[in-house]
Amino acid sequence: DVQMTQSPSSLSASVGDRVTFKCQAGQDIKNNLNWYQRKPGKAPKLLVYGVSNLDTGVPTRFNGGRSGTDFTLTITSLQSEDTAVYFCVQYNSLPYTFGQGTRLEIK
Amino acid sequence: QVQLVQSGAEVKKPGASVNVSCKASGYTFTKYPVHWLRQAPGQSLEWMGWINPATGNTKYSQTFQGRITISRDTSATTASMELTGLRSDDTALYFCARGGIPLWAYWGQGTLVTVSS
Repeated sequence: DVQMTQSPSSLSASVGDRVTFKCQAGQDIKNNLNWYQRKPGKAPKLLVYGVSNLDTGVPTRFNGGRSGTDFTLTITSLQSEDTAVYFCVQYNSLPYTFGQGTRLEIK
Repeated sequence: QVQLVQSGAEVKKPGASVNVSCKASGYTFTKYPVHWLRQAPGQSLEWMGWINPATGNTKYSQTFQGRITISRDTSATTASMELTGLRSDDTALYFCARGGIPLWAYWGQGTLVTVSS
């Protein structure tokens, strides 16, 4: 199974800040990585697919990137509604595997 | 609009089976796989398997092989997931999600399955 190591596990930042989450894959997964947002009591919401493609309706303050087996999700100009858990998933090979998630708190 | 509506919460005893359904609407059911995932308390999400509604072909995670069956009813545009031999660590929130590109852009609302004696 492909190991996905996500960091940090939690993050606290202020409205307007820029924050970055990272997922490191244990092997080459090409561009087969998505990022999701999870709020309490809700199903996950797709933010970014294929490393850097924003899903429909996702604000442009969300940006995905890749350097080798390191993947990032950056939120520029944090908003209060961005409080959530963010996680990555690789779908290059079965079984699909997940990062452990980053809990983002707005100060 | 695309919707996936899951069946309601279940409470089961250890050793029992559970069947969770996922009713799809707003798109052509046979054009997209349906995946099943779950999240146990305090744990990350876990992929369980998927079905191609057009053919009925399935693929399961080795973790659940032998205990899981995913099926579909194309006339009812519904996918179902049965998990047998339930244990306390099967207590989780179970989701269906639409496959294809992009992966899992649409999710069911989740079904809580509690396994307790």
